[in-house]
Amino acid sequence: DTGVSQDPRHKITKRGQNVTFRCDPISEHNRLYWYRQTLGQGPEFLTYFQNEAQLEKSRLLSDRFSAERPKGSFSTLEIQRTEQGDSAMYLCASSVMTLGGDSYEQYFGPGTRLTVT
Amino acid sequence: AQKVTQAQTEISVVEKEDVTLDCVYETRDTTYYLFWYKQPPSGELVFLIRRNSFDEQNEISGRYSWNFQKSTSSFNFTITASQVVDSAVYFCALSDISGTYKYIFGTGTRLKVLA
Repeated sequence: DTGVSQDPRHKITKRGQNVTFRCDPISEHNRLYWYRQTLGQGPEFLTYFQNEAQLEKSRLLSDRFSAERPKGSFSTLEIQRTEQGDSAMYLCASSVMTLGGDSYEQYFGPGTRLTVT
Repeated sequence: AQKVTQAQTEISVVEKEDVTLDCVYETRDTTYYLFWYKQPPSGELVFLIRRNSFDEQNEISGRYSWNFQKSTSSFNFTITASQVVDSAVYFCALSDISGTYKYIFGTGTRLKVLA
């Protein structure tokens, strides 16, 4: 296993610009999650994919945010018209769903740290 | 609503001391999972343990041990004979099992182990 990878690791952008982050989950993991972590806080859930289907979105995910997981493999998270409040660490995690619908623990990537100036 | 509380914001201990990190959770579900993760300065969350709500047995793994008490809705984590490498932020998390298994995290406890 190569683990969950995320790209880029750091992104600095100016307010109003669009940014896109990529997550490559562990290859056999069918569940994929995005979380956002701000300084001094625990990660907060943003959205969830089961294979290619986006099944849940948090109220934190405004309409400036969009996520995709084409073909149930890698996922992208795009933020349009970035605001300073979007500055945070964006974490991706993946896990395996068992045949019975249960789930094992999530494995996290190193995160993408976004700074909006 | 589900909630995880880690009341200890920061703890400092001297190497070789034992330390316990507290976690209290709230949920209306009868079945759920609890987790502990470690976040070292590098930033990546490292999985430590998963506990099913039906399994109240305490668990020990090397210097780490976990005490799950359903009666008090607590899932505490003890590090015995702490080492400098244990310095990190530790998060407790609760997973719903309504379909997504998303995590609800506490705010974390920063542990500093001094040499």
